[in-house]
Amino acid sequence: DTAVSQTPKYLVTQMGNDKSIKCEQNLGHDTMYWYKQDSKKFLKIMFSYNNKELIINETVPNRFSPKSPDKAHLNLHINSLELGDSAVYFCASSQASAGGTDTQYFGPGTRLTVL
Amino acid sequence: AQSVAQPEDQVNVAEGNPLTVKCTYSVSGNPYLFWYVQYPNRGLQFLLKYITGDNLVKGSYGFEAEFNKSQTSFHLKKPSALVSDSALYFCAVRDSHIYNQGGKLIFGQGTELSVKP
Repeated sequence: DTAVSQTPKYLVTQMGNDKSIKCEQNLGHDTMYWYKQDSKKFLKIMFSYNNKELIINETVPNRFSPKSPDKAHLNLHINSLELGDSAVYFCASSQASAGGTDTQYFGPGTRLTVL
Repeated sequence: AQSVAQPEDQVNVAEGNPLTVKCTYSVSGNPYLFWYVQYPNRGLQFLLKYITGDNLVKGSYGFEAEFNKSQTSFHLKKPSALVSDSALYFCAVRDSHIYNQGGKLIFGQGTELSVKP
């Protein structure tokens, strides 16, 4: 069984469109994250949610809006897509946010290409 | 501020030889250190972590890492490399002094490991 899953795996779209990426975890974790991996493979956190509450927002443009309907899901909606949004987006989850010793488990990634 | 450096973009090793992938870090408190591996077109897989205790940490697939506080390093090692170990390796750190930050991990830039037969 897949622990952290993302859909779609690939997303190709035109500039200006709005798109969503879905993430689900079946690990029973309290915290979920979105990371962006750019073309140079550099990984940077975008958002973190703990039990449906936003914890981290790393100065991401407000075109990006995460939504957590329940603690097992964290979706990423992107408005007015730009060329620079092309990247691989990874969802992750961990047991708890306090203390910081927990391991984050990553999904397979969604490769977004904006044309 | 927290930071992680992986000084080598690429490491080349012959199969059967020992491998080392280097990582140094900077935090204000105690570091929580992690290694992840990314195979082509795949997500990140957790290898091992150091939280406290024994400086030598053993992880998945025969990998281990040594925490060195004086050198602020956490190098990843394996005694005998396999061709299948070829992948992109990431070191990451979390600062124990930063609470309620949603467990933000700071990643190094990654090191491409290439193991040749």
